[in-house]
Amino acid sequence: GQSLEQPSEVTAVEGAIVQINCTYQTSGFYGLSWYQQHDGGAPTFLSYNALDGLEETGRFSSFLSRSDSYGYLLLQELQMKDSASYFCAVSTPLYGQNFVFGPGTRLSVLP
Amino acid sequence: DGGITQSPKYLFRKEGQNVTLSCEQNLNHDAMYWYRQDPGQGLRLIYYSQIVNDFQKGDIAEGYSVSREKKESFPLTVTSAQKNPTAFYLCASSQGDIHPPGNGYTFGSGTRLTVV
Repeated sequence: GQSLEQPSEVTAVEGAIVQINCTYQTSGFYGLSWYQQHDGGAPTFLSYNALDGLEETGRFSSFLSRSDSYGYLLLQELQMKDSASYFCAVSTPLYGQNFVFGPGTRLSVLP
Repeated sequence: DGGITQSPKYLFRKEGQNVTLSCEQNLNHDAMYWYRQDPGQGLRLIYYSQIVNDFQKGDIAEGYSVSREKKESFPLTVTSAQKNPTAFYLCASSQGDIHPPGNGYTFGSGTRLTVV
């Protein structure tokens, strides 16, 4: 079976750093992606890690450890507009290499 | 600009009625997907299609049907067999010839379906 776990909620203040973790158990693994979704909106792609290590894109970084079946999304210099839900998604051979999504983490950024 | 268009944005369905959700993309993507999202939950795959005239079931295909007669279009029909259809429906696409889709999916803005 396929399962992904994320914390349901995270709260932080503006300017802070927050880490959202994702652990997964899947039949086969190609890579880990992160998506951001604002209330009522469409998910938007943030990052993709196929290899171990840290990928940095501006204020956002994503990390993967394949041996630990674990990854995280790191958001720095938090802004109010970062308040959203964040989903990790694993690409697997299941469903033609499609992504299986985690339950999502609701991030609230406080002033 | 290229993107995915879903319509309508809001849809109300009566008990026992079939409804069709539209999804059109002009990104020249080969692969298209339908996901269902319930409040406070993740996305669950309903159907996907990697080429025209071919589609496959996802995790929760029961009560749904699709067609892929054109590369640009992937409509989803919610049939009366789907007993709990109230949800947010998202259509997505990706470059199907890149496995896995390292650039991720492009999503439409969604259709919110409510049973009345």
